[in-house]
Amino acid sequence: DTAVSQTPKYLVTQMGNDKSIKCEQNLGHDTMYWYKQDSKKFLKIMFSYNNKELIINETVPNRFSPKSPDKAHLNLHINSLELGDSAVYFCASSLTTGGNQPQHFGDGTRLSIL
Amino acid sequence: GESVGLHLPTLSVQEGDNSIINCAYSNSASDYFIWYKQESGKGPQFIIDIRSNMDKRQGQRVTVLLNKTVKHLSLQIAATQPGDSAVYFCAEKPYGNKLVFGAGTILRVKS
Repeated sequence: DTAVSQTPKYLVTQMGNDKSIKCEQNLGHDTMYWYKQDSKKFLKIMFSYNNKELIINETVPNRFSPKSPDKAHLNLHINSLELGDSAVYFCASSLTTGGNQPQHFGDGTRLSIL
Repeated sequence: GESVGLHLPTLSVQEGDNSIINCAYSNSASDYFIWYKQESGKGPQFIIDIRSNMDKRQGQRVTVLLNKTVKHLSLQIAATQPGDSAVYFCAEKPYGNKLVFGAGTILRVKS
């Protein structure tokens, strides 16, 4: 059973298109995240949601819009894709927002912009 | 593999030897630290964590050491195995639930 699952695993598309990445966790966690990992493997948080409410938005262009229909799902929609959006996007979850708990990651969505 | 062309620090060890991976963190207010392992094509996998009120924590074959005075974290892996080859990241939690990741270290295990 995959704890944090993302779809699709690979996404190849052209500049200017709009695309979505889906994430689901079956851990019963309250908090979910989106991270971006660039070509140098640098991993940076983009968004965090707790029980469907946005709690972290790390200066991400407003072309990126997360949506959380329920606490087990956090989807990422990207409008007007640009070359610089090429990266691996990781979804993660943790038990709650407060306290000290590890975040558990999915296996990523590799986005390539042509 | 994926590490080709990456300019991350690389640690090469012989199978069976112990490995020590180091990390300097930036925020003295950070109260929680995690080590992650990332294999090619996979997401970061939790290895071990430590709170700031501790200076050492042991897991199975792994030990994390925390030196708050110099803002330094290390991960020790005993009897390193080929399956330990991966990129290792430290992460710190300066506030809320935000994790800030370090740059990563490539561990290569030679058989």
